[in-house]
Amino acid sequence: KAGVTQTPRYLIKTRGQQVTLSCSPISGHRSVSWYQQTPGQGLQFLFEYFSETQRNKGNFPGRFSGRQFSNSRSEMNVSTLELGDSALYLCASSRGRLGYGYTFGSGTRLTVV
Amino acid sequence: ILNVEQSPQSLHVQEGDSTNFTCSFPSSNFYALHWYRWETAKSPEALFVMTLNGDEKKKGRISATLNTKEGYSYLYIKGSQPEDSATYLCAFLPGSARQLTFGSGTQLTVLP
Repeated sequence: KAGVTQTPRYLIKTRGQQVTLSCSPISGHRSVSWYQQTPGQGLQFLFEYFSETQRNKGNFPGRFSGRQFSNSRSEMNVSTLELGDSALYLCASSRGRLGYGYTFGSGTRLTVV
Repeated sequence: ILNVEQSPQSLHVQEGDSTNFTCSFPSSNFYALHWYRWETAKSPEALFVMTLNGDEKKKGRISATLNTKEGYSYLYIKGSQPEDSATYLCAFLPGSARQLTFGSGTQLTVLP
């Protein structure tokens, strides 16, 4: 079965611009979570969506937002990009029940210049 | 802010050696503990989801144990192979929240 698909794989943006990243979960998975990884940092939780509703949000500024569509695909948006937003952004899908592991996508590498 | 710590940060072993590393997490409000393997240029891959105190899980040469009362989990690799080289991440899921908090990982390098 198809895995979690993230697009694009790489992205270069200028400070002040905005960016939208996309994540298509495994078929049947209704929960999508987003994580940020920067050099020297572990995976930092951004937010989680389940059935089009944001269930949890991490400690990130309001410039980071997301949404989930009825087909469970999710998008993450970052407005007014800063240099510090340069990171690997991973999304992970799960069935939504807590006893299951997450399946991660390959990530989007965002570079802000 | 939940504190999930992994040790050591990195480890170099010879092929054939057995090794283990530790994940420490809060001992209260426990729901689940996840282990993931993250190879370079790939996605993190789920190894185990552990939910019960005393749980032991095994997948091939890799096994894990869980002690929720004292807040730690061990991951063991028996007879390490070069293909085991990866970063091993643990992630804590408390009962009161629906988000995983990841440790910073243990980077394992198996030398041939």
